[in-house]
Amino acid sequence: DAKTTQPNSMESNEEEPVHLPCNHSTISGTDYIHWYRQLPSQGPEYVIHGLTSNVNNRMASLAIAEDRKSSTLILHRATLRDAAVYYCILRPTQAQGAQKLVFGQGTRLTINP
Amino acid sequence: NAGVTQTPKFQVLKTGQSMTLQCAQDMNHEYMSWYRQDPGMGLRLIHYSVGAGITDQGEVPNGYNVSRSTTEDFPLRLLSAAPSQTSVYFCASSYGMAGAREKLFFGSGTQLSVL
Repeated sequence: DAKTTQPNSMESNEEEPVHLPCNHSTISGTDYIHWYRQLPSQGPEYVIHGLTSNVNNRMASLAIAEDRKSSTLILHRATLRDAAVYYCILRPTQAQGAQKLVFGQGTRLTINP
Repeated sequence: NAGVTQTPKFQVLKTGQSMTLQCAQDMNHEYMSWYRQDPGMGLRLIHYSVGAGITDQGEVPNGYNVSRSTTEDFPLRLLSAAPSQTSVYFCASSYGMAGAREKLFFGSGTQLSVL
């Protein structure tokens, strides 16, 4: 199974943009890139996902490298409520393996007021 | 919409006791799964189901049983609790397994302590 690599922790200031990197050099052509985040004492929540093109939604933007071996989750204007652990996950689209979503240890994001 | 509901929120067991963690979803999702999260760690997949009557093992299935008699419910059974099963358990569901519909919805978790 393809793996992802993320920094253990990152720190940013409130109201500044945050760029969370993820490396996935063994990604296959049919793997979707998913991002989830987990706020303290809560279950993970979906943030965004994409396949090849950059994606935007109300929570964040996802920038995917042209070779798809890395991606970056962008929080445009961080707030204190964005402090969480962010997980970058690859989800295959083939039936075999698509159900086994694997979470790594993620990046713990700290937001300073 | 309730989403994914887990009960109980907290549970303390003695070694050797059995119990069932409940998970229900009201979104008509085909896919459901159970994860455990140990302190400071990511989530590990225990069991999953791709539809009523169909279950399969994940990464850490030993000591746990599941069944899926209805689309809505996916209970997780601990047959004989051990201290190593002390963890936070999350249930998750999604419409399908692949493509753009596979966004996972998580419950709020069950914190289990085995003494």
